[in-house]
Amino acid sequence: DVQMTQSPPSLSASLGDRVTISCQASQTLSTSLNWYQQRPGEAPKLLIHSASELHSGVPSRFSGRGSGTGFTLTISSLQPEDFATYYCHQSYITPQTFGQGTRVEIK
Amino acid sequence: QVQLQEAGPGLVRPSDTLSLTCTVSGDYMSSSYWSWIRQPAGKGLEWIGRIHTTGNRNFNSYLRSRITMSVDFSKNQFSLKLTSVTAADTAVYYCAQEWGQKSLPVSWGQGIAVTVSS
Repeated sequence: DVQMTQSPPSLSASLGDRVTISCQASQTLSTSLNWYQQRPGEAPKLLIHSASELHSGVPSRFSGRGSGTGFTLTISSLQPEDFATYYCHQSYITPQTFGQGTRVEIK
Repeated sequence: QVQLQEAGPGLVRPSDTLSLTCTVSGDYMSSSYWSWIRQPAGKGLEWIGRIHTTGNRNFNSYLRSRITMSVDFSKNQFSLKLTSVTAADTAVYYCAQEWGQKSLPVSWGQGIAVTVSS
């Protein structure tokens, strides 16, 4: 199975900060890497698919980069609603796997 | 866009079988993969498996021997059965529809909390 390693596990940031989360895969995924946001008590929501494609309705302050085994999610200017947990997810091969999550907290 | 709703018992005894259904509304169950994902309290997401409307299935490597998935077109539902449950199977279980072109969960149910305890 493909192992997905996210870093950092958690981070504290202020409103307006630029935040970057990393995801490393144990084998190449091409660009079949996706990012989800999960707020407490809610189901995950798709933010980015195919490494860098913004899902419909997602604000442009979210962006994704990478290919192969290394990927990043960047939030250009943190907003109050962005404080949540973010997961990377690979859809390159089954079984699909998720990273362990990165919790973004208010500083 | 379809809506998904999980249903099933909130409490299951150890060694029993956990049975969940997911009802799809807002559209018929189009040719697509339908998935199950779970999340233990305070932990990350774990992909359980998926079933296609054609019957093709893919499962989590560690749960494979305990999983059964099926689709009931007459009820617009798909289901998950997980046998021989232990406390480690306690989690919120989500059903989801995959985006066919990208093979990724895009529409999710709200989740159902299942506790395994005697």
